[in-house]
Amino acid sequence: DQQVKQNSPSLSVQEGRISILNCDYTNSMFDYFLWYKKYPAEGPTFLISISSIKDKNEDGRFTVFLNKSAKHLSLHIVPSQPGDSAVYFCAASGDNTDKLIFGTGTRLQVFP
Amino acid sequence: DADVTQTPRNRITKTGKRIMLECSQTKGHDRMYWYRQDPGLGLRLIYYSFDVKDINKGEISDGYSVSRQAQAKFSLSLESAIPNQTALYFCATSDGPIRGSNEQFFGPGTRLTVL
Repeated sequence: DQQVKQNSPSLSVQEGRISILNCDYTNSMFDYFLWYKKYPAEGPTFLISISSIKDKNEDGRFTVFLNKSAKHLSLHIVPSQPGDSAVYFCAASGDNTDKLIFGTGTRLQVFP
Repeated sequence: DADVTQTPRNRITKTGKRIMLECSQTKGHDRMYWYRQDPGLGLRLIYYSFDVKDINKGEISDGYSVSRQAQAKFSLSLESAIPNQTALYFCATSDGPIRGSNEQFFGPGTRLTVL
């Protein structure tokens, strides 16, 4: 039972364009959401997070949007750069715990 | 030098063998975690520890045990390895609750294959 789903296993975007990565969740108790980026042969690195009291959080080229009614969040990367090519995981936490539930990941490829 | 290190980086073993994966950190964090990643399943939490005397089970602790030897060291053991424990294993650390903007820092991973 996958509580956090990333339905697109891969995404290909041209450099300079917007990349939109999507994530859906089923557990209404989740109240904190994160995005991690992972390069091959490395561990995931934290990218950006959002609390359920917000619907948007921005950090440079990265913006996360949260739609609680739809149980959906998305990560926007503008403009996309070749160095953004990686696997992106969304993760969620709830019940005031430190347990993270990860999605299955989306592989983003940014081509010139 | 990496802040979170894992040894070994790769290991091939046989069914029934005992295996220990080690994690060390120089970040001075109290909280440490073990995850496994399987294709198509993302990362899943195996065990976590908030300090040397505090060990907690995660989503998938069956078949695994852990030892927190010191603040800086957290080991994961497979007492009797089985093929479906073939996966990529990650250790992570954090300085506090994730809601306090305390991100989890991950090691580079250990690729374990059980034949």
